[in-house]
Amino acid sequence: EAAVTQSPRSKVAVTGGKVTLSCHQTNNHDYMYWYRQDTGHGLRLIHYSYVADSTEKGDIPDGYKASRPSQENFSLILELASLSQTAVYFCASSLTGGAREQYFGPGTRLTVL
Amino acid sequence: GQQVQQSPASLVLQEGENAELQCNFSTSLNSMQWFYQRPGGSLVSLFYNPSGTKHSGRLTSTTVIKERRSSLHISSSQTTDSGTYLCALEYNYAQGLTFGLGTRVSVFP
Repeated sequence: EAAVTQSPRSKVAVTGGKVTLSCHQTNNHDYMYWYRQDTGHGLRLIHYSYVADSTEKGDIPDGYKASRPSQENFSLILELASLSQTAVYFCASSLTGGAREQYFGPGTRLTVL
Repeated sequence: GQQVQQSPASLVLQEGENAELQCNFSTSLNSMQWFYQRPGGSLVSLFYNPSGTKHSGRLTSTTVIKERRSSLHISSSQTTDSGTYLCALEYNYAQGLTFGLGTRVSVFP
């Protein structure tokens, strides 16, 4: 079965600090995605990537950077963490064509203090 | 903008009852998925169903593109069905999913 893992699973960060969330998939999928989930907003797309060394902006990219160093790995970077970035972050992967079902990781709970 | 409307927002069931959850969307789409979010937060993909009807155990998903709606039917509900059900749509090819806010289902014995 498709496998997406995330690390860390939870993190407490200080305002203004740098945070890196990591995602690893063993599905051999081309596409990877980062979403955040907040109460009242549901899940929203931050960044995505369809090939290594390339990333695209999603619906809410401000305050986030993404990095795709290989097909298997996709990172989300908060250069200057802010209180408003407290949320649960999910990573997902999918195939390029055909049935583009997305497979999600377990999520990372980030608290910025 | 492109929207996803889920109804009802919450639902309380007695074990054994059936339920139908609705997902309505504003424009044509490329694909859609139904997810179950556990109380602990993890997401489980229930159906990838861009059109037609699919079955999985006590769950049935039906998507009617012309009517811009998808439904998730739960038959003979169990307490373990409690959680939040999310529908998510891919409006633009491979450019991520747009999620609804979910239907919170509570099943009591």
